[in-house]
Amino acid sequence: QSVLTQPPSVSAAPGQKVTISCSGSSSNIGNKYVSWYQQLPGTVPKLLIYENDKRPSGIPDRFSGSKSGTSATLDITGLRTGDEADYYCGTWDTSLHTGVFGGGTKLTVL
Amino acid sequence: QLQLQESGPGLVKPSETLSLTCTVSTGSISSTTHYWVWIRQPPGKGLEWIGCIFSSGTTFYNPSLSSRVTISVDPSRNQFSLEVTSVTAADMAVYYCARGKSGVDDLDIWGLGTMVTVSS
Repeated sequence: QSVLTQPPSVSAAPGQKVTISCSGSSSNIGNKYVSWYQQLPGTVPKLLIYENDKRPSGIPDRFSGSKSGTSATLDITGLRTGDEADYYCGTWDTSLHTGVFGGGTKLTVL
Repeated sequence: QLQLQESGPGLVKPSETLSLTCTVSTGSISSTTHYWVWIRQPPGKGLEWIGCIFSSGTTFYNPSLSSRVTISVDPSRNQFSLEVTSVTAADMAVYYCARGKSGVDDLDIWGLGTMVTVSS
């Protein structure tokens, strides 16, 4: 049972938009920055979004993040088959005094 | 560009201690703006934060693992290490080391990961 809640899977057609949610509480998302990670099949997780809505160098603007209250969202527009991956949200939990991840969401581009 | 590399035995017997080291290259582990993290991922499952250490030596552990986990840092070798005692099959996973940014907590650099199997 993850501290942060994500849908296990989402799917959409190429070119479409998909939204992945991440729900937490006041001890984590509510008071801390959220980051998002992309893990392509068989690879190392990669930072996709940091500080809620910032993209590291090299991450296309098709990927965007936002946060409201105790929830965060990752939007991916113009879907490509190469976007098929597992996506994880992450943050710090001030009650647990540790970092936490969501359970991960598997994106399928139909 | 700073790089991280995990090393250690790929096979550990049940009830024994798992020990891994992460070597930081092209950068200093003594940074005051970052901290150092261990994460694991069981086969086919999600990411689990194990714990982290600051260059000061301050550590924070996942409460579910804290009784069995120790993270330490060796600035002279630019390395940090993980020990997990009394391992069981549930500890079988790919273990990653990563760098976290103080105050914002994103993990911007990850090692390639190392698979640890628990078997007699």
